[in-house]
Amino acid sequence: AQSVTQLGSHVSVSEGALVLLRCNYSSSVPPYLFWYVQYPNQGLQLLLKYTSAATLVKGINGFEAEFKKSETSFHLTKPSAHMSDAAEYFCAVSVSGTSYGKLTFGQGTILTVHP
Amino acid sequence: DAGVTQSPTHLIKTRGQQVTLRCSPKSGHDTVSWYQQALGQGPQFIFQYYEEEERQRGNFPDRFSGHQFPNYSSELNVNALLLGDSALYLCASSLFGTDSKETQYFGPGTRLLVL
Repeated sequence: AQSVTQLGSHVSVSEGALVLLRCNYSSSVPPYLFWYVQYPNQGLQLLLKYTSAATLVKGINGFEAEFKKSETSFHLTKPSAHMSDAAEYFCAVSVSGTSYGKLTFGQGTILTVHP
Repeated sequence: DAGVTQSPTHLIKTRGQQVTLRCSPKSGHDTVSWYQQALGQGPQFIFQYYEEEERQRGNFPDRFSGHQFPNYSSELNVNALLLGDSALYLCASSLFGTDSKETQYFGPGTRLLVL
């Protein structure tokens, strides 16, 4: 069975600092991996996705993530945090080999950005 | 182009009652998935509908049922509500097909409170 582990339920950074949100997955088949962001009282917005093409994936709002098969990781980074990045971030995996199949989500990481 | 829409936005029910939540997919999408997000948790997959049939189901009891209409919109029904059913219910739409790289787009959700 597939699973996703997000290390750190809360991450706090200063504005302008590097953002690093960690995600490890387990899957017996090549996975598709996703990062979603959720602002308070809203649904999920896709930041980026890995679908077996380039291992370094660039997304919206300056975020990027690198798929590392040997480490079973898909960590999310952003070089310089903005106040508007404060939100909850979810890593998700699909093992169906499709983008439309069942997604298994991690528990989420709340990002706080201090001025 | 309208994205995924859900109704109602909020709902309050009492234990034992039944509830119906509605979802209209993004234009051009034919597949609808439903997720339950309890407070402080990541979304959990309930089921997915394509061509008016349930294609995949997560680990949810039979009290949770659904329907997809010819126009691809969908309903989620929950019978005999329990306090533990209180959650944000998210609908996601996508495009079916082995070549589909189309991402799942999420709606804003329906927040259900069971008293």
